[in-house]
This record gives sequence, C-alpha cells and structure tokens, in this order.
Amino acid sequence: GAVVSQHPSWVICKSGTSVKIECRSLDFQATTMFWYRQFPKQSLMLMATSNEGSKATYEQGVEKDKFLINHASLTLSTLTVTSAHPEDSSFYICSPRGTGLRGDGYTFGSGTRLTVV
Amino acid sequence: QKEVEQDPGPLSVPEGAIVSLNCTYSNSAFQYFMWYRQYSRKGPELLMYTYSSGNKEDGRFTAQVDKSSKYISLFIRDSQPSDSATYLCAMVSSGSARQLTFGSGTQLTVLP
Repeated sequence: GAVVSQHPSWVICKSGTSVKIECRSLDFQATTMFWYRQFPKQSLMLMATSNEGSKATYEQGVEKDKFLINHASLTLSTLTVTSAHPEDSSFYICSPRGTGLRGDGYTFGSGTRLTVV
Repeated sequence: QKEVEQDPGPLSVPEGAIVSLNCTYSNSAFQYFMWYRQYSRKGPELLMYTYSSGNKEDGRFTAQVDKSSKYISLFIRDSQPSDSATYLCAMVSSGSARQLTFGSGTQLTVLP
C-alpha cells in the first residue's frame, strides 16, 4: 500500500496559538488530500478535501478560517489549526489520494493528537 | 438514520475465539467495502477491501458482503491479544469521488 507520513504525532499547545500538521505521501503523488477529525470513542469525520493547487472544500460545520489547508505540492499537504481552543482538541488524520494503484485514498496517516490547554 | 450502522461494543473474547464484526448500511449506492483496524492513538490500517458480494479471505480474516441485505461482516479466526483494537467498517459509493463513509467502530478486546 501507499506510504504516508504525518507529523507531529502529538502536540500540546496553549489556547490561542496555532498548530501546523504535515502530511506527506512518500511513494506517490497525492493529487487530493482528505483531512479527518476523530473525537474519543467516535468514528472519523471528514473535515475537508483539497486538490493540489486549489482551495480546499470544507464539510458543513467546519470553519475554513480556523482550519487552514495548504496543498501546494503533490507530496505535501498541511493543516493549520489557528487560534486553537480546548474544543479543538482531537485526533487529526490525513488520507492522500493519487493516481494509479498507489494512493487510492484508502490509506491513512498515523494521526496527530492535538491537546489545547 | 445513519448511512452506516455498527455496534460499538465493547466486545471481549478469549484468545482463540472466532470474532464476528458487522455493519449494516442503507445507501444502495455503496459499491466498495473496507475494514480498518485502529490501535489506540494510531491512524486506521486497511485490513480488507471488497467490491462484490461474497467472501474474501486473507489469513485469519474473512470479509463477507451481502449487498441484497446491505450487510457486511468481518470474521477473525484464532483471535490473538494483538487483535485488540477498534475495528471500523467503511464504504464508498460509485459517484462519491472515493470519499469514505465510516461506521462508528467496534472496540474489541481479546483476553489472553
């Protein structure tokens, strides 16, 4: 399967600060990136979908100004949580999709656990 | 009604038992079906991927799809303590640009 690198694996930040999460596709070109959020004991919820070089499409209820997504290259996408608050504490997971058999969109990064204090 | 329903458990079984995990769905457009295993504080790991009714076997794991009943199952034979994790079913419809719809996950504990 595809090789996906996501970091940091965990981060603690103060309320009001911003945090950047990186997701890299190591063995294929990711034309699309899915970003998910998972609260404890809940399933994954799609936050946004981004295509390389284009603006992201956000799911209903997800604030685009709070969760900034950059997908400027085919191997790297970033999610920045701006002015983080304790309610943003969650597990964030990326899933890149590319062309061909690799990067089918069904492989996930290892996740980033964000704790806002 | 959720598009995908999955019993959240928790489910505890003794080592060596056969485990049956199930999901039902309501959207007949779902064509592809996956099972993921997620360990605590890790991303989901794809276990099985099927796109037709019937059974698919991979080692100790068997995925079963019944499209007429809108019901999918994952069987784990000879369960091991290392199988303790949350298992998520996920589905993709043909026209959804490969967006996944997840079940809520079933937490499984295999007791040694």
